[in-house]
Amino acid sequence: GAVVSQHPSWVICKSGTSVKIECRSLDFQATTMFWYRQFPKQSLMLMATSNEGSKATYEQGVEKDKFLINHASLTLSTLTVTSAHPEDSSFYICSAAATDTQYFGPGTRLTVL
Amino acid sequence: DQQVKQNSPSLSVQEGRISILNCDYTNSMFDYFLWYKKYPAEGPTFLISISSIKDKNEDGRFTVFLNKSAKHLSLHIVPSQPGDSAVYFCAASASWVGGYQKVTFGTGTKLQVIP
Repeated sequence: GAVVSQHPSWVICKSGTSVKIECRSLDFQATTMFWYRQFPKQSLMLMATSNEGSKATYEQGVEKDKFLINHASLTLSTLTVTSAHPEDSSFYICSAAATDTQYFGPGTRLTVL
Repeated sequence: DQQVKQNSPSLSVQEGRISILNCDYTNSMFDYFLWYKKYPAEGPTFLISISSIKDKNEDGRFTVFLNKSAKHLSLHIVPSQPGDSAVYFCAASASWVGGYQKVTFGTGTKLQVIP
């Protein structure tokens, strides 16, 4: 099956710093990638849709200046959490769209101190 | 507004028995439905999907049933195995066009299969 990787898998940072998370589709090309956020014991919440070569589409309530998304190639999308604060601590998951489903990365646990 | 609902947050089943996970949706525009399995601190893994033109799709031990009139779908796992213990997310999508799939997830049901 299709494989999606994320890096890093776990990151701890100080409040005010920026963190970049990479999402790669390893064995297929994905024109569309998605970024989700999951709080403990809650559902996956779609943050934004990332299309290769164009600006990301953000869901209502998600600050685009806070969560910068770059989809520079058909196999790589990045999410940068700018000026991170403790409330940004969460589990961030990306997915890459294939023909009839989405394949998810393993997730990145972000802890902001 | 939770458009995809999984009203049972948890379910315990004996090994070898059938597990039935339920999901309801409110958006009549949804025409494609998926089930994902998720372990803690991992990304979801795709299990099975169904298009709105069908009412049943089967893949090995997993079968998904869709009742469009009731806006209800269910995932049956039979026989259940301890390795099936995980959180199961129901998901729905509208306009599955050209590989672009905006998916709405339910809140998840934690399945525990007891040996």
